[in-house]
Amino acid sequence: EAAVTQSPRNKVTVTGGNVTLSCRQTNSHNYMYWYRQDTGHGLRLIHYSYGAGNLQIGDVPDGYKATRTTQEDFFLLLELASPSQTSLYFCASSDGSYAEQFFGPGTRLTVL
Amino acid sequence: GDKVKQSPSALSLQEGTNSALRCNFSIAATTVQWFLQNPRGSLINLFYLVPGTKENGRLKSAFDSKESYSTLHIRDAQLEDSGTYFCAADPGYQNFYFGKGTSLTVIP
Repeated sequence: EAAVTQSPRNKVTVTGGNVTLSCRQTNSHNYMYWYRQDTGHGLRLIHYSYGAGNLQIGDVPDGYKATRTTQEDFFLLLELASPSQTSLYFCASSDGSYAEQFFGPGTRLTVL
Repeated sequence: GDKVKQSPSALSLQEGTNSALRCNFSIAATTVQWFLQNPRGSLINLFYLVPGTKENGRLKSAFDSKESYSTLHIRDAQLEDSGTYFCAADPGYQNFYFGKGTSLTVIP
């Protein structure tokens, strides 16, 4: 079973604040993803990566940066947080194309 | 418009009864995943499908890529089946599109 962990699990910040969400997977998967989940929208893809140093844009990338430092670690950066970024954020990993995704437990972010 | 449409959006089931959830795709999906989001918010993998069917205990899922839909059948519903069910479709370039979910409540 894939192991995907996220930190922090909960975060509160203020408008204009700087936030970094962390994700680590320990199964040597190539692909990693960041999603946000909002009521009425399901999960929406922010950014994804298919290896260290690689970054691909998803469907809702505005206001977010991401960085993949190693095969295991994928970070989501909010440099000027806004209340519209209040959401539940999920990280996921998969082994490549045509492969199952495994999700972390989620990070609940509140921007006041 | 939505690339993945799930129906129904909400459902109440008497314990022990059966039901079917459906996803329709407006993209050419190559694979489909089904998840259950439990009341704690965790996403639990149920099925990963190429075109065809899979069965696991009381759950059975089918994916028809030509007709662009997938179904999830729940047999003999139990209280622990309650939660929100999501399907996600991959058009082949690892950009998964999720439906908005079906909220299922199983009633004793």
